[in-house]
Amino acid sequence: SALTQPPSASGSPGQSVTIPCTGTSDDVGRYKDVSWYQHTPGKAPKLVIFEATRRPSEVPDRFFGSKSANTASLTVSGLQAEDEATYYCSAYAYRGPVIFGGGTKLTVL
Amino acid sequence: DVQLMESGGGWVQPGGSLRLSCAASGYRFGGIAMNWVRLAPGRGPEWLSYISTGSLNIHYADSVKGRFTISRDDVEASLYLQMNNLREEDTAVYFCARGPEDALDLWGQGTMVTVSS
Repeated sequence: SALTQPPSASGSPGQSVTIPCTGTSDDVGRYKDVSWYQHTPGKAPKLVIFEATRRPSEVPDRFFGSKSANTASLTVSGLQAEDEATYYCSAYAYRGPVIFGGGTKLTVL
Repeated sequence: DVQLMESGGGWVQPGGSLRLSCAASGYRFGGIAMNWVRLAPGRGPEWLSYISTGSLNIHYADSVKGRFTISRDDVEASLYLQMNNLREEDTAVYFCARGPEDALDLWGQGTMVTVSS
């Protein structure tokens, strides 16, 4: 089954927004390997968080990942217009392939 | 520049075939595993297939097992996806992506596949 994300989130420039990703004890709760991707239509998706909390070197530290039990979260602080995109979480599933969330469209007001 | 570029998408009737290609540049292609992922309208991404370095390990999602075949040519720095017996539900944007399945650190821009009669 897919991971659960809210379909939309929004915030004003400079504010912080947190996007949750809810799974089960067989995926998010079982492994540390939760990733977050940023995608704008027509562009290549971009990895912003891996292993639940780690950031690729080129991703600004305004992006913060966390995980507690069966829920992972992505927090974007100091919102900027360029952060407007759809964000997807992913996780390994027990005895299964990697699964993704349905995506959260982040709007910067 | 380090990049991936997909090609080969298009329109095909149900039951038809397509072969997608992914050209890599700017890094040592043969040293990193590769994947195919698709994004259907209104849905989240779906991981489809993984191929390790040297093509030693290959995995498929149940939804495409037996119909799709992943392969790579390290000399040409290219990844391929042969798609047979296509169904309307295979309509999506198809992406190639680098890395282990759980942390895909480089993606292409995608190529659209439409399966319709």
